[in-house]
Amino acid sequence: LAKTTQPISMDSYEGQEVNITCSHNNIATNDYITWYQQFPSQGPRFIIQGYKTKVTNEVASLFIPADRKSSTLSLPRVSLSDTAVYYCLVGAQMDSSYKLIFGSGTRLLVRP
Amino acid sequence: DSGVTQTPKHLITATGQRVTLRCSPRSGDLSVYWYQQSLDQGLQFLIQYYNGEERAKGNILERFSAQQFPDLHSELNLSSLELGDSALYFCASSVDGNSGNTIYFGEGSWLTVV
Repeated sequence: LAKTTQPISMDSYEGQEVNITCSHNNIATNDYITWYQQFPSQGPRFIIQGYKTKVTNEVASLFIPADRKSSTLSLPRVSLSDTAVYYCLVGAQMDSSYKLIFGSGTRLLVRP
Repeated sequence: DSGVTQTPKHLITATGQRVTLRCSPRSGDLSVYWYQQSLDQGLQFLIQYYNGEERAKGNILERFSAQQFPDLHSELNLSSLELGDSALYFCASSVDGNSGNTIYFGEGSWLTVV
């Protein structure tokens, strides 16, 4: 079972770059790494997904080293509206089924 | 808008009662997931369906059950409700439920048991 470990919380200021690292030491060969953002009382929102190296989209970048045992979500120039919980997910192959298990997430607070 | 639709958005009911939460997946998605999120808690995986068949089971109580219908919508049935069942219940969908799929979440159904 692939388990993820993330910092419980992080603080930042508007305009700064924020990097949130997630460790997933037991990631399986066919697992992808996915990051979600969640605001209070809302559904998680997909941010980015990757398998290896670097992935970039219009909102974030995802860095995955060669051993894939960790990944780093990079949010460039955060704003107050980026205050949210960020979840790193990898899959869990169990009993011939594939599950996505959420960890505790990282609470990001962006200050003015 | 993720394309995943959940109803009702809010529901208040008494202990011992039974409720049904409904989910319509994104167009073209065959796999549906249900998650529970209690106040200030993480998301707990309950169950997953693919094209009408149960594919994976998580921490779903025996008092809870789910199904996915031929038109691919899904229902989560919660019975003999307890105060501790008060939570946000999220439905999510993906194309086929395999690794690499992007999973899209609905906005949730907020259940309050009094």
